[in-house]
Amino acid sequence: DIQMTQSPSSLSASVGDRVTITCRASQGISNYLAWFQQKPGKAPKSLIYAASSLQSGVPSKFSGSGSGTDFTLTISSLQPEDFATYYCQQYNSYPGTFGQGTKLEIK
Amino acid sequence: EVQLVQSGAEVKKPGESLKISCKGSGYSFTSYWIGWVRQMPGKGLEWMGIIYPGDSDTRYSPSFQGQVTISADKSISTAYLQWSSLKASDTAMYYCARPEAGYWGQGTLVTVSS
Repeated sequence: DIQMTQSPSSLSASVGDRVTITCRASQGISNYLAWFQQKPGKAPKSLIYAASSLQSGVPSKFSGSGSGTDFTLTISSLQPEDFATYYCQQYNSYPGTFGQGTKLEIK
Repeated sequence: EVQLVQSGAEVKKPGESLKISCKGSGYSFTSYWIGWVRQMPGKGLEWMGIIYPGDSDTRYSPSFQGQVTISADKSISTAYLQWSSLKASDTAMYYCARPEAGYWGQGTLVTVSS
């Protein structure tokens, strides 16, 4: 099974900051990597697919990069609505695996 | 518009059986994998398993193999997640999802309590 290691597990930042979350796969997954945002009591929302492609309707402040085993999600100019938990997920090998999540909190 | 619509919340007793559903619309149901994700209270997301409705190829995560059954009825574009004997530890939110495109159902809360 492919393991996904996400870091950090939690992150404190201020409104207006730029933050980066990383995700490492235990073996190469090409670009079969997605990023999700989840707010309390809500279903996850897709942000990025194919490592760097923005889902329709997602603001360009979210960006993804990487290929193979190392990936990043960058969020620029943080706004209050961006404070949530973020997950990476590989879909190179089904049924897929998630990272353990990064909780982004307001400093 | 692609939609995944799940069945409603369930409250069950330990030992009971349960089958929850996820109806897909707005796309060719038989052409895309669809799977199930568990989220226990206050915890992260876990893929349970996935099915290709076109030929019923089904794959389970090791933690869930033998614990649940995933199936699909392509005539009504619906995927299912089934338990034969629920435990209290099955209490969780369950989502159906298409992994390659980021489409998710709204979630089904399953509560197992005596």
